[in-house]
Amino acid sequence: EAGVVQSPRYKIIEKKQPVAFWCNPISGHNTLYWYRQNLGQGPELLIRYENEEAVDDSQLPKDRFSAERLKGVDSTLKIQPAELGDSAVYLCASSQGQGGETQYFGPGTRLLVL
Amino acid sequence: AQSVTQPDIHITVSEGASLELRCNYSYGATPYLFWYVQSPGQGLQLLLKYFSGDTLVQGIKGFEAEFKRSQSSFNLRKPSVHWSDAAEYFCAVGGGNAGNMLTFGGGTRLMVKP
Repeated sequence: EAGVVQSPRYKIIEKKQPVAFWCNPISGHNTLYWYRQNLGQGPELLIRYENEEAVDDSQLPKDRFSAERLKGVDSTLKIQPAELGDSAVYLCASSQGQGGETQYFGPGTRLLVL
Repeated sequence: AQSVTQPDIHITVSEGASLELRCNYSYGATPYLFWYVQSPGQGLQLLLKYFSGDTLVQGIKGFEAEFKRSQSSFNLRKPSVHWSDAAEYFCAVGGGNAGNMLTFGGGTRLMVKP
């Protein structure tokens, strides 16, 4: 069974440029998560989807970040415009449901903003 | 609000020695507790989880963890460390009344001496 797929794996951009990350969750997993992991820290949740509905986006900086999961399967996270402080690893995870279901993580996208 | 503290940022042990990684959590109800491992450039892999029942939980790769409610702890242990165990370890807490939102600790980086 394929795991969570993310692309690209690495991205280098200049500040003020836009950037997008893509995630394909494990087949059959209704819940999808985007996390940001700063260097030397644990992941922090940005947004959680139940199917195509964003049910928890309280930590998403909505002035520059947006996300979508149009058909309830794959998802895109966008930053526009990027700032230096956005440099981090962006992790996608999925689970079959909520209530303590195990979250399975993708390899992440490492973003460097210059 | 839920929180996780991993007091040790770095730990170095000799190969074959025993290991204990500390984790303390704050949560208002019965928590779901997880340990994940992250190797360089990789996503997070679940080692083990506690939902209920037996407070000593067995995981993959020979790891175990013990839930101690009175101490709000969920320490990870391994009787004999292998060089391949060198990685970063994250403790996380979640629960039913927070959906499936996980809060991660800052991580403990394990180094293994030959």
